[in-house]
Amino acid sequence: NAGVTQTPKFRILKIGQSMTLQCAQDMNHNYMYWYRQDPGMGLKLIYYSVGAGITDKGEVPNGYNVSRSTTEDFPLRLELAAPSQTSVYFCASSYEATGPNTEAFFGQGTRLTVV
Amino acid sequence: AQSVSQHNHHVILSEAASLELGCNYSYGGTVNLFWYVQYPGQHLQLLLKYFSGDPLVKGIKGFEAEFIKSKFSFNLRKPSVQWSDTAEYFCAVNNAGNMLTFGGGTRLMVKP
Repeated sequence: NAGVTQTPKFRILKIGQSMTLQCAQDMNHNYMYWYRQDPGMGLKLIYYSVGAGITDKGEVPNGYNVSRSTTEDFPLRLELAAPSQTSVYFCASSYEATGPNTEAFFGQGTRLTVV
Repeated sequence: AQSVSQHNHHVILSEAASLELGCNYSYGGTVNLFWYVQYPGQHLQLLLKYFSGDPLVKGIKGFEAEFIKSKFSFNLRKPSVQWSDTAEYFCAVNNAGNMLTFGGGTRLMVKP
């Protein structure tokens, strides 16, 4: 059981470039999330999805876009990379958002540097 | 909006010392509470969770946490830490209608 798989693990972008961070889960979870982790700031929610075809903004959505065409995949798109987007990005999924099955399972993370 | 506070940003302990990490949240209604651990270079893993029932929750690796509703707290404890417990610990909360919200994290270093 692979769980949540993120690619790539590391990436360096130049200012203004674009890229897509891939995320896939094989647990048939309805909910998927993208977080960014900055030192001392914990994890901030960028976007989330409650099911295929449905996405919504989290706490820090500016500069990012997402799509959810299938239950399994939830890619995160950076259109015009900026130094402020240098961070570690985590994708996560859960079966529910509230109740006993709300445990979030995390991917290994993508360390992105924008120079 | 709900918020989560972890007041200890860095904690340094010697092996066998007892650990207590504080976590307070702002939401007054029914909540689900979690502690996650992130070992160096790894992703977040669930230590324990509280959904309902006994407010004293036991997790993996000897960790436990106590939900005190009147204090809006969910502190993490371990009676005797080991060097392998060196990691960053995150408290997280969600409630109906809100996604999982994380605290700022506490970096624990255990000296051998």
